Amino acid sequence: DAGITQSPRHKVTETGTPVTLRCHQTENHRYMYWYRQDPGHGLRLIHYSYGVKDTDKGEVSDGYSVSRSKTEDFLLTLESATSSQTSVYFCAILAGDLEYFGPGTRLTVL
Amino acid sequence: SQQGEEDPQALSIQEGENATMNCSYKTSINNLQWYRQNSGRGLVHLILIRSNEREKHSGRLRVTLDTSKKSSSLLITASRAADTASYFCATDFQGAQKLVFGQGTRLTINP
Repeated sequence: DAGITQSPRHKVTETGTPVTLRCHQTENHRYMYWYRQDPGHGLRLIHYSYGVKDTDKGEVSDGYSVSRSKTEDFLLTLESATSSQTSVYFCAILAGDLEYFGPGTRLTVL
Repeated sequence: SQQGEEDPQALSIQEGENATMNCSYKTSINNLQWYRQNSGRGLVHLILIRSNEREKHSGRLRVTLDTSKKSSSLLITASRAADTASYFCATDFQGAQKLVFGQGTRLTINP
């Protein structure tokens, strides 16, 4: 699992509330990624980071922001959650050419 | 979109049979990777094939890559019940450190 953890693992929240998901890695990998996985869409890249304070947008970045103040932590924030953001969120790191994934966070927005 | 596309979307076979899944992509790549995802779990990397390779083996897995057709196939031989999972291909962009995933093939192995 390349030392990747995600928290929380499950969250239920209401529309309009802010939500922050955390990805933590223990092996000082430079690149970190946030994906969402939805039926019929596979995995879609939200944002990624290529170093502390260095981030870039992915395919579906609208409504999401990220921060990386330390190498080991990559935070994904939904400033005002919407029902369309109900999904399973995966964090990943890049080690060589391979991406290693965390266990996922299941987010439900009511 | 530069997304890879898997075919078929779902495949159901008997234990012991071979399973073949295909992936097509749109842009030039450095490498193509296959991942497995068991229900409710994260993705696990299976195999990587580089653009200058045509075939690669790992245990019961065989991956082929045809860059002229922008396609790849994953063959699982002598399937087992434990192979039941979703399988995703992922491609990189040349020069970009990020992957684009297809929608996956859901494989069911029937005992």
